[in-house]
Amino acid sequence: SQQGEEDPQALSIQEGENATMNCSYKTSINNLQWYRQNSGRGLVHLILIRSNEREKHSGRLRVTLDTSKKSSSLLITASRAADTASYFCATEMNYGGSQGNLIFGKGTKLSVKP
Amino acid sequence: KAGVTQTPRYLIKTRGQQVTLSCSPISGHRSVSWYQQTPGQGLQFLFEYFSETQRNKGNFPGRFSGRQFSNSRSEMNVSTLELGDSALYLCASKTNSGASDVQYFGPGTRLLVL
Repeated sequence: SQQGEEDPQALSIQEGENATMNCSYKTSINNLQWYRQNSGRGLVHLILIRSNEREKHSGRLRVTLDTSKKSSSLLITASRAADTASYFCATEMNYGGSQGNLIFGKGTKLSVKP
Repeated sequence: KAGVTQTPRYLIKTRGQQVTLSCSPISGHRSVSWYQQTPGQGLQFLFEYFSETQRNKGNFPGRFSGRQFSNSRSEMNVSTLELGDSALYLCASKTNSGASDVQYFGPGTRLLVL
């Protein structure tokens, strides 16, 4: 079963606008990672936030993590047409033999119109 | 450093056949994980190998197997192919198993089963 659930499933915005995607998960985690995928190709790692961190920035990306609510958000500021892709959150769980493998959500499909 | 490479990139097989996919991790990475991506089930963890040993396994039937060589390269094998095995198979590598670390993905092998 999916650990993470992204919201919304699809998002369409204009270039220059901000895009916010949310992710909820179910169990205790070591870290949460965000990935981007263009048209069924490989996944590109965007950012990793550990369970003891609350916010991280990388360029135009800002990720927050609220472990009490078991949720994370990814904000892309000043979006560009090249940001058009599917975005996935993935959690690395914190117990037993499952440590190390990633559990992915279904993803948010972002479309940025020029 | 070169990224994760996967061969072949595309493959067409018929039901009942078997297939072997190959993954070369980033130099120095000892952990290799495999994931299956389908439109219906999304991204699902298959297994992880570290130091030639399977460390974690997802919820897939025994037809799915893998191995890792002493140079950390990994192969996965699917026997008695079914139509539902059509998917994008992604390989990811990271430095160590169980570490809270970034997994870097390859471009994937797209398998079509007819």
